[in-house]
Amino acid sequence: YELTQPPSVSVSPGQTASIVCSGDELAGKFVSWYQQRPGQSPLLVLYEDNKRPSGIPDRFSGSASGNTATLTIRATQAMDEADYYCQAWDFSAVFGGGTKLTVL
Amino acid sequence: VQLQESGPGLVRPSQTLSLICTVSGDPISSGAHYWNWIRHLPGRGLEWLGHIYYSGTTFYNPAFRSRVTFSIDTSASHFSLSLESVTAADTAIYYCARGPTGPNFRLSFHDWGRGTLVTVSS
Repeated sequence: YELTQPPSVSVSPGQTASIVCSGDELAGKFVSWYQQRPGQSPLLVLYEDNKRPSGIPDRFSGSASGNTATLTIRATQAMDEADYYCQAWDFSAVFGGGTKLTVL
Repeated sequence: VQLQESGPGLVRPSQTLSLICTVSGDPISSGAHYWNWIRHLPGRGLEWLGHIYYSGTTFYNPAFRSRVTFSIDTSASHFSLSLESVTAADTAIYYCARGPTGPNFRLSFHDWGRGTLVTVSS
């Protein structure tokens, strides 16, 4: 099972960034999203498609439909610049290849 | 909760990679979590190796099932990874991570260690 993400996404500060994750029948697979800044461990920002762990701002939201899941970051800030990975389950936990979000 | 990986940073090809994850701030025996191993290959993405429950029940990624073994020591509050017959392709940052129990299709990783770089080289 494969999860496909665009290698990179660019966004201007204050604008909305969307990162898409594609996989066969992805909706219903309870997608999680992780943020990884350089030199740091991954940080869970969304789980079960759209649930935010404690401490994650509500600027982060998620949705899933058909073969895609989307991470949306509203009012993007410089601190949001990072790699983002989607993850789902299909006989094992599977991660997407990651998307580098650039805020410029 | 804090998770901390430890172990050799250099392993020879064909040898066994062994790491320990020490957990503090949360009883590893609470039964509320799965304890996972995940690695990040250089220039590539994340790979999940599997998880272990406090009871010792394991679930391995089928891609690693023939080479990987997990164990857990609740009295010492740590769990361990052994990966046999390593090659240069196993060079990666290895993370331990905690996720809530429940059906595997809901699996997510809520807390991570800082990771430890393991290089496979002669």
